[in-house]
Amino acid sequence: GAGVSQSPSNKVTEKGKDVELRCDPISGHTALYWYRQSLGQGLEFLIYFQGNSAPDKSGLPSDRFSAERTGGSVSTLTIQRTQQEDSAVYLCASSLTGGALGYTFGSGTRLTVV
Amino acid sequence: GESVGLHLPTLSVQEGDNSIINCAYSNSASDYFIWYKQESGKGPQFIIDIRSNMDKRQGQRVTVLLNKTVKHLSLQIAATQPGDSAVYFCAENTLKGQGAQKLVFGQGTRLTINP
Repeated sequence: GAGVSQSPSNKVTEKGKDVELRCDPISGHTALYWYRQSLGQGLEFLIYFQGNSAPDKSGLPSDRFSAERTGGSVSTLTIQRTQQEDSAVYLCASSLTGGALGYTFGSGTRLTVV
Repeated sequence: GESVGLHLPTLSVQEGDNSIINCAYSNSASDYFIWYKQESGKGPQFIIDIRSNMDKRQGQRVTVLLNKTVKHLSLQIAATQPGDSAVYFCAENTLKGQGAQKLVFGQGTRLTINP
């Protein structure tokens, strides 16, 4: 596609439920990043994919968070047993080779846990 | 640990005036810095970058200054327009060969342009 697409744009879920957030990167971009943006805060790195592998998962805040990428394209971020502190905007970015200068961000998924 | 932060969370300027947004960083090993603009409901958009071996870089209506002595970065926007209203983030990156080039972001400054 022309840009990075994320879905859903908004998600309200009850505490304890699992959620899946989807990211469609720009076609041909091999690198994909997930960031989390809490209200009024900067972006917090979660995980990085190069192709289908994730060489850097250091930002995932707990084992309730996981992500996968298939076919070197679509990525899914899964949060199990959601907590209220998980409420944030989850942003996905892709780049052609992994260079941070080439990041293109999606518009994000706003997750609200009630 | 590593951190990038901003001096002021909000800034209001009159349309047509110049604005300066500041950023402090702590990782002296950072190789380059990027400024992003984020409008409401959208993802961050690249504005301009500067490498650590530079002091100044200019773009269209924007100038970034880097002072490595005091670990300070600034973004100057000339002749501000209503469309410049947004949250501005600085981010730093440490090149790690072929590893993940993840960015460390500051908190952000909300710039409001008053008509």
